Amino acid sequence: QSALTQPPSVSGSPGQSVTISCTGTSSDVGSYNRVSWYQQPPGTAPKLMIYEVSNRPSGVPDRFSGSKSGNTASLTISGLQAEDEADYYCSSYTSSSTLGVFGTGTKVTVL
Amino acid sequence: EVQLVESGGGLVQPGRSLRLSCTASGFTFGDYAMSWFRQAPGKGLEWVGFIRSKAYGGTTEYAASVKGRFTISRDDSKSIAYLQMNSLKTEDTAVYYCTRGGVVLVDYWGQGTLVTVSS
Repeated sequence: QSALTQPPSVSGSPGQSVTISCTGTSSDVGSYNRVSWYQQPPGTAPKLMIYEVSNRPSGVPDRFSGSKSGNTASLTISGLQAEDEADYYCSSYTSSSTLGVFGTGTKVTVL
Repeated sequence: EVQLVESGGGLVQPGRSLRLSCTASGFTFGDYAMSWFRQAPGKGLEWVGFIRSKAYGGTTEYAASVKGRFTISRDDSKSIAYLQMNSLKTEDTAVYYCTRGGVVLVDYWGQGTLVTVSS
């Protein structure tokens, strides 16, 4: 089972919007609405930001939004803030024996 | 407040065993599946395995990379999840995270414990 493909890095100035893509296949992202996104600031544990494609857990700012089209899921951060600087990982359920697969990770830099 | 605290990490030689513990608090432990993830130094996240709640049979699932070597168990009376790691390899070196949830939807993570497999 190959990892989901994410861009290595994205950047933006404070207040701008950035979008991170997460490309899989018809065996994972394309077939299931079970896509999550995690934020991991340096040296800390991951934090759930989005689940089931577009749902935000309590406490996650509405600046974070998720969507999906075909085999690609996306995370958009609107109104970028310095505290958003972190690594972001997508994750999807998969029909393979692996059950779940992570993305390669994207480093978000706030300029 | 939900808290997950891992312990048991450290330096171990290849081929040896190690058991990690995850002590949970702040929620009804027995109602939830519990998972383990890992992250090798400078690398991405990898799901290791999970154990279902007793209501769903308490059964386990594992990633192919650890199947047959790692075993997850739970003690609901103590709110502790375990990860027994046998026949450790250098490529098992990673920070291991205990989490609440299954494979994809994981809502709480512990702080992680470092396992280093080296001679």
